[in-house]
Amino acid sequence: ELKVEQNPLFLSMQEGKNYTIYCNYSTTSDRLYWYRQDPGKSLESLFVLLSNGAVKQEGRLMASLDTKARLSTLHITAAVHDLSATYFCAVTLTGTASKLTFGTGTRLQVTL
Amino acid sequence: EAQVTQNPRYLITVTGKKLTVTCSQNMNHEYMSWYRQDPGLGLRQIYYSMNVEVTDKGDVPEGYKVSRKEKRNFPLILESPSPNQTSLYFCASSLRDSLGAYTFGSGTRLTVV
Repeated sequence: ELKVEQNPLFLSMQEGKNYTIYCNYSTTSDRLYWYRQDPGKSLESLFVLLSNGAVKQEGRLMASLDTKARLSTLHITAAVHDLSATYFCAVTLTGTASKLTFGTGTRLQVTL
Repeated sequence: EAQVTQNPRYLITVTGKKLTVTCSQNMNHEYMSWYRQDPGLGLRQIYYSMNVEVTDKGDVPEGYKVSRKEKRNFPLILESPSPNQTSLYFCASSLRDSLGAYTFGSGTRLTVV
C-alpha cells in the first residue's frame, strides 16, 4: 500500500524567510505532484515531477524529486503573505496513473 | 474554458435519502476520480475510472457508487447517506498518459444530518 507523508503538517513563517516542505512516499512511483489549496477552494496544480533529479521552479516555489530516496521537497524562498495556503503532494504508483494518493497536507501561514 | 464542473456546490440532506453529485469535464479526459477531503486526513480517493464503463474502487469506496456511461460524466451516488459521509468532495480528471496534472472541480460540501 502506498503511503505518502508530509512534514511539517503546519508551518508558520515570517515574510522573507526560507523554508522547505518534505514529502516522503513508501513505494516506487513515476509521478509526483504538488498542489496548492486556498481555504474553501479547490486544488490548483503547481508542479508535476516525472523523473529522478527533476527540479521545477515557479516564482518563489521550487520543487525537486529524488526517486531513490522517495523524497520530494517544496522549497519556499523569501516567503510572502500570498503564499499562505495548504500544500499537498500526491503520488501515483508506477503504471497506475489513474490512482493518485495524497499526503495529509502542510498548512503554511506566512506572517508579517 | 477547460474545466471540471461539479454540482451542487453545497448540499444538506438527511440520513438515508439517496443523492447524486454530478461531475462533468469538457477536456475529453479519459481518467476521472472522486475524492473526499476531511480535516487531518488529506484527500482520499473514493472511486476512479480509466475510461467509459471502466471503474474501480479507491481507498474509501464503502457507501458510494459511481458510473461512467459517457466519457464526460462521472456521477457519485450515495444510496443511503450517513453522517460519516459528511465531507468535502472533489471530482478530478486527467488525460491518459498525460504528463500534466489532474484538474479538480470546485468541490461539493455535503452535510448529512
